[in-house]
Amino acid sequence: IAGITQAPTSQILAAGRRMTLRCTQDMRHNAMYWYRQDLGLGLRLIHYSNTAGTTGKGEVPDGYSVSRANTDDFPLTLASAVPSQTSVYFCASSDLAGAGEQFFGPGTRLTVL
Amino acid sequence: GQNIDQPTEMTATEGAIVQINCTYQTSGFNGLFWYQQHAGEAPTFLSYNVLDGLEEKGRFSSFLSRSKGYSYLLLKELQMKDSASYLCAVRDGDYKLSFGAGTTVTVRA
Repeated sequence: IAGITQAPTSQILAAGRRMTLRCTQDMRHNAMYWYRQDLGLGLRLIHYSNTAGTTGKGEVPDGYSVSRANTDDFPLTLASAVPSQTSVYFCASSDLAGAGEQFFGPGTRLTVL
Repeated sequence: GQNIDQPTEMTATEGAIVQINCTYQTSGFNGLFWYQQHAGEAPTFLSYNVLDGLEEKGRFSSFLSRSKGYSYLLLKELQMKDSASYLCAVRDGDYKLSFGAGTTVTVRA
C-alpha cells in the first residue's frame, strides 16, 4: 500500500441496507477524515479522528458512524442507507504537525436507490 | 463555523494568468489551504498559508490577508493540464478543514 486507499471504488446499494466504506493509510498519520462531495456543495466533513481511539462529528454526521481502533484504518458505516446519501465519499489523513496538509484517497462513488 | 466564498467558474487562455479569489468568515483560523481537483479524481494539495503574505511555488502562488479574511491563488503560464477545480479550505483550531464549493478553471487553447 502506498498512501491512502479506499474500498470499494463504487457501489450501488438498496435503501435501508447497511454499508461500510473502508479507508486505510500507511503514512502513520495521526488524523483521519471522511468527507462527502456533492455537486455545487463542495467537500463536507462527516466525521474525523485526531488520534486512534478518538472520533468527532463534522458538519454532516447524521446517518453515519465511524470507529478508529488503530492508526491505519478508519471505516465509515451507513447503518440504513437513504437516497440522500448518494455521493462521492473521500477519506483523508494528515499529520497534525507542521502544515498538516490532508492527503486524500481516490474516493468511493456510492449510489443509494 | 466557516463561510467560504469563491467564484464558481473561470475561463482563461493557455499561457495567461488567472487569479482565483477566496473570502472567508471564520470562528477560528489555523491556516488556509488550496487544493486542485481534476474531474473524477481526488483533491491534491497545492499550497498552505498561515501568515499574511505571498507563498510562491513554481507557477502557482497563494496570498493571504488574515485581517481581510481574503486569499487568492495565482496560476501563471497556464497550461491545458491546469483545467481543474480549485478548492479553498480554512482550517480551524481543531485541525478540521472547511471547504469552499470550488472554482472550475477552463483553459482554452
